[in-house]
Amino acid sequence: GQQVMQIPQYQHVQEGEDFTTYCNSSTTLSNIQWYKQRPGGHPVFLIQLVKSGEVKKQKRLTFQFGEAKKNSSLHITATQTTDVGTYFCAEYNNNDMRFGAGTRLTVKP
Amino acid sequence: DGGITQSPKYLFRKEGQNVTLSCEQNLNHDAMYWYRQDPGQGLRLIYYSQIVNDFQKGDIAEGYSVSREKKESFPLTVTSAQKNPTAFYLCASSMGAFRWLEAFFGQGTRLTVV
Repeated sequence: GQQVMQIPQYQHVQEGEDFTTYCNSSTTLSNIQWYKQRPGGHPVFLIQLVKSGEVKKQKRLTFQFGEAKKNSSLHITATQTTDVGTYFCAEYNNNDMRFGAGTRLTVKP
Repeated sequence: DGGITQSPKYLFRKEGQNVTLSCEQNLNHDAMYWYRQDPGQGLRLIYYSQIVNDFQKGDIAEGYSVSREKKESFPLTVTSAQKNPTAFYLCASSMGAFRWLEAFFGQGTRLTVV
């Protein structure tokens, strides 16, 4: 089945630096969701984007949906150690839900 | 408290044995999903169900089976036909059948073949 491509696979930053992860699709997405999984934990829903060009913010997190609805990004400003984890995008297609491979973020204090 | 519960948290299986992982939700959600996660990897879809008594294969259904006899329950059986079953298994549910809404995940079951 269609699956979004997510990059980078890993990102290591110094605390206070910014972080961005990207999801790309070859086809138009109806909408996209973002999840965070802490080490040893389970994915937790962060946000859903539906509209072309949509931008949503949650404190230091900014989510964008591309104008063509083929890509999305998650940007974290001034990372903190609590941001550590793996960030996944997910797409809904043909009544199922598929995830990108995830970007694992580590933050050095 | 409402939520989605997976049991057991850890499971050990001998080669050649079938094992069933439990997933129960009291959120009154229609849709339920099973994913497999290998160390350092993403989530791969095994099976999903949008309504009771109906389910569909995901990307890696071979060696697995499911049932959806009740709305709140979606057990996954890992059969002996699954060649490499050691992994972290996650169950999820979402509210609407054939609608795309926020998914809630269980705590997961870590299966190890010994």
